[in-house]
Amino acid sequence: ETGVTQSPTHLIKTRGQQVTLRCSSQSGHNTVSWYQQALGQGPQFIFQYYREEENGRGNFPPRFSGLQFPNYSSELNVNALELDDSALYLCASSLVGAGEETQYFGPGTRLLVL
Amino acid sequence: AQSVTQLGSHVSVSEGALVLLRCNYSSSVPPYLFWYVQYPNQGLQLLLKYTSAATLVKGINGFEAEFKKSETSFHLTKPSAHMSDAAEYFCAVSFNFGNEKLTFGTGTRLTIIP
Repeated sequence: ETGVTQSPTHLIKTRGQQVTLRCSSQSGHNTVSWYQQALGQGPQFIFQYYREEENGRGNFPPRFSGLQFPNYSSELNVNALELDDSALYLCASSLVGAGEETQYFGPGTRLLVL
Repeated sequence: AQSVTQLGSHVSVSEGALVLLRCNYSSSVPPYLFWYVQYPNQGLQLLLKYTSAATLVKGINGFEAEFKKSETSFHLTKPSAHMSDAAEYFCAVSFNFGNEKLTFGTGTRLTIIP
């Protein structure tokens, strides 16, 4: 059983650019959640996808968008990057509906916006 | 609204001493509570979780936490600290186990003194 993986591990972008981060869920999981962790802070919930549909969203603007694919992998897209978007982006997968719904986190993608 | 407060952004203990990391929550409904650990440059690893069963929860690496409704607390303890325990610890709360966003505290950095 493979764990949650994310790519790339590090990324540098400039203000105004667009970025796509990728997450591969743990085998058998049907739900993925994305979190933003700014330096020195706890993770903040961005949104969650369940069976390819958005299933809850935190206090993030629409330029943060996502996709979940039939194989339950996921993407986080951020348009019009701002300096404050610099953070560690974490995805977490879980299996909703089976009684064991713990969220398992990937290692994260560290994004730096210059 | 649900929230988590972690008292003490930095805690230092001597190797072999008791570890106590504090977490208080605010929730209008019975909460689900979690402790996660984050090692440098890594994602989050689940230590333990409270899901309304036993109030004393045992986790991995010798950690345990006790849910005290009257004190709205979920403090994390370990009887004897080990050098490998040095990491960032996050307390998190959720309304619904798994199918809901996690709300994290700001974290406590644990340093172990040799």
